[in-house]
Amino acid sequence: SAVISQKPSRDICQRGTSLTIQCQVDSQVTMMFWYRQQPGQSLTLIATANQGSEATYESGFVIDKFPISRPNLTFSTLTVSNMSPEDSSIYLCSVYRVRGETQYFGPGTRLLVL
Amino acid sequence: AQRVTQPEKLLSVFKGAPVELKCNYSYSGSPELFWYVQYSRQRLQLLLRHISRESIKGFTADLNKGETSFHLKKPFAQEEDSAMYYCALKGGSEKLVFGKGTKLTVNP
Repeated sequence: SAVISQKPSRDICQRGTSLTIQCQVDSQVTMMFWYRQQPGQSLTLIATANQGSEATYESGFVIDKFPISRPNLTFSTLTVSNMSPEDSSIYLCSVYRVRGETQYFGPGTRLLVL
Repeated sequence: AQRVTQPEKLLSVFKGAPVELKCNYSYSGSPELFWYVQYSRQRLQLLLRHISRESIKGFTADLNKGETSFHLKKPFAQEEDSAMYYCALKGGSEKLVFGKGTKLTVNP
């Protein structure tokens, strides 16, 4: 399995500010994903982050709002920019170590925007 | 388009009773289906995947391509099975598409 940590585990932020969420994996992984889980909703993929290339965003998500970095094979960040209360959600990162293997999930970052 | 439907938002059964969590999918190709579980205050974790054809914690799920279903079953539910269950589909890429989830409560 892969051990995944996220920082912060939770935060309360004011609207208009930005928050950067970190995802650290204990081993090198090929693919990292960022998901959002809004209250009472399922997980929705925000983007796929591959090392050495631009992140690929899903429909409805844009780089200006959710910039992502992937500087190496064990780390990624997701920034939630210019936050509004609608951004209140749990943000999760997940990884594949090798193609076709199980996808592992981090513990999530619970964000509340006031 | 890839879509996963879990028709039951909430499911409540008594301990020892059989349980079935429904999952239907929409995908034009050959999908890979998964069940993920999230226990209270724990992270999302894989329960089983259809290609493994194994039983985990007494749960089984069979992919029915004719009915485009991947229902999760357990003959005798236990209180510790109470959790949120998500059905997920992987199509032509490594991305997962999740259903909305079913909250299972097993009453004593």
